[in-house]
Amino acid sequence: ETGVTQSPTHLIKTRGQQVTLRCSSQSGHNTVSWYQQALGQGPQFIFQYYREEENGRGNFPPRFSGLQFPNYSSELNVNALELDDSALYLCASSSSVISGNTIYFGEGSWLTVV
Amino acid sequence: DAKTTQPTSMDCAEGRAANLPCNHSTISGNEYVYWYRQIHSQGPQYIIHGLKNNETNEMASLIITEDRKSSTLILPHATLRDTAVYYCIVRDTGRRALTFGSGTRLQVQP
Repeated sequence: ETGVTQSPTHLIKTRGQQVTLRCSSQSGHNTVSWYQQALGQGPQFIFQYYREEENGRGNFPPRFSGLQFPNYSSELNVNALELDDSALYLCASSSSVISGNTIYFGEGSWLTVV
Repeated sequence: DAKTTQPTSMDCAEGRAANLPCNHSTISGNEYVYWYRQIHSQGPQYIIHGLKNNETNEMASLIITEDRKSSTLILPHATLRDTAVYYCIVRDTGRRALTFGSGTRLQVQP
């Protein structure tokens, strides 16, 4: 049990729709990252938020956006869904942005785009 | 980004030690080595991390070579529940991301 909770656990959307995924970070953690994991592959970094500001981004288009709230919870929004967006979306939290800290993952949200 | 190289798959007998190697020859001085594992359809589980010295916790031991170009994760007494994909990751301080490779699929045999 990592203390990182994600919702929903599973959802199905239609191509072109928008989706919002939610994450509650572990207590005391002020940094949240999001990852996308396609079937059979390792997780890929989408972006990271620290104190409500995005401070790192992977190779994902702008239709992937996020928010972090004052209580450090976070949302991942994906607009104009494509079939290739079908994946497991993982949220990870940590207590600092510097290297050397422990990063904990939630169980993920499975998104299927049809 | 420092890249890691791991064997695609390994087998281990239940009750024996599982030694999972990882090469990270381009690691820089301030980058940590992290190990995570992922059991099918679950989120990655943190195992251990280290910078230079060997580390041990209740789950595993991490042995890092003196030149820091490779490391070994040791599960001292593997059980069937240790069957998973194990990821060796070097922390990307510039982008603050964990860069996952393909990992090693460990199969613990009864």
